[in-house]
Amino acid sequence: EAGVVQSPRYKIIEKKQPVAFWCNPISGHNTLYWYLQNLGQGPELLIRYENEEAVDDSQLPKDRFSAERLKGVDSTLKIQPAELGDSAVYLCASSLRQHQKDNEQFFGPGTRLTVL
Amino acid sequence: GNSVTQMEGPVTLSEEAFLTINCTYTATGYPSLFWYVQYPGEGLQLLLKATKADDKGSNKGFEATYRKETTSFHLEKGSVQVSDSAVYFCALSFRQGAQKLVFGQGTRLTINP
Repeated sequence: EAGVVQSPRYKIIEKKQPVAFWCNPISGHNTLYWYLQNLGQGPELLIRYENEEAVDDSQLPKDRFSAERLKGVDSTLKIQPAELGDSAVYLCASSLRQHQKDNEQFFGPGTRLTVL
Repeated sequence: GNSVTQMEGPVTLSEEAFLTINCTYTATGYPSLFWYVQYPGEGLQLLLKATKADDKGSNKGFEATYRKETTSFHLEKGSVQVSDSAVYFCALSFRQGAQKLVFGQGTRLTINP
């Protein structure tokens, strides 16, 4: 079974440029998460989707970040414009939501963003 | 709010040494607790979990026991190997509501032969 796929793996851009990250979750997983992992820190949730609906985006900086999950499968996370402080690893995870159960999250390898 | 605190790294041990990585949490309610591992160049992988007090999670020789009285979930292994070198994250989540994982800051473990 294929895992969570993310692309690109690495991205280097200059500040004020736009950038987009793509995530393909595990087939059949209805819940998709985007996490931000700063150097030396644990991941922090940016947004969570249940199918195509963003059900928790309270930590997403909406002035420059946007995300979409059209058709409830793949997802794209965008930053426009990027700032130096956005340099980090962006992780995508997916899970199969089941009522009253721990929904194990499976993580992709991440996209490492460097903003110069 | 909910939070997880791990022991500061990096931790360096010799092969076959005993490992403990401390983890304590603060939470409203009774979360599930997890240990994730991140090997170099790879994504986070679930190592083990426990869903209620006194549960013990185990996998690959690692163990952790959910201690409600001390709000802890310390990771242990009796004899570490070079291949255990990785970054280890303690995390919590709730079955209801947000269901997001709240992570500690991670502990980098290096095992020398």
